[in-house]
Amino acid sequence: DAGVTQSPTHLIKTRGQQVTLRCSPKSGHDTVSWYQQALGQGPQFIFQYYEEEERQRGNFPDRFSGHQFPNYSSELNVNALLLGDSALYLCASSRRFNTGELFFGEGSRLTVL
Amino acid sequence: KNEVEQSPQNLTAQEGEFITINCSYSVGISALHWLQQHPGGGIVSLFMLSSGKKKHGRLIATINIQEKHSSLHITASHPRDSAVYICAVRSSYNTDKLIFGTGTRLQVFP
Repeated sequence: DAGVTQSPTHLIKTRGQQVTLRCSPKSGHDTVSWYQQALGQGPQFIFQYYEEEERQRGNFPDRFSGHQFPNYSSELNVNALLLGDSALYLCASSRRFNTGELFFGEGSRLTVL
Repeated sequence: KNEVEQSPQNLTAQEGEFITINCSYSVGISALHWLQQHPGGGIVSLFMLSSGKKKHGRLIATINIQEKHSSLHITASHPRDSAVYICAVRSSYNTDKLIFGTGTRLQVFP
């Protein structure tokens, strides 16, 4: 049984470009949360998706958007990239009403030049 | 001030030592997670606590809800325990998101 898978694992973009990151949750999980982790910091909550809708959002600008598909996989999109968007982007999956079963992907490391 | 504070930020130990990592939080919570992050970036959930104490192998996690404090203990530490240990809480008024501490970097030398 595959756990949470994220792609790509590494990518480099330039300022102003757009990026799409992808996450497939663990089998049986229906809720996906995205986190941004800057170097040396703890992860920061971006948003959570359940039933193809954004349910909660952290303190991130509208440049950060997402989507959840009927198969529960999810995408994170970031527009108009800034240098400060360089970070590890983590996806976590769980079951909606069983938040104790929490699994993280390996992350997508984004570098903005 | 962060809602979740961990101490120490960095910790070095010799193999076999008993390790304690502390976490204090300032919000009401429904649950607290202890997570382990290896250099590659992936995070593994070690424990979820809402009260009392849990043990898994050489790892023990405790929580005191009244004092808003949790500890993670590692007995008989081993170099493979070297990682960043992160405390994260699920607030009682917004259970959909985790609030993370900045982590404790542990290095265990043989």
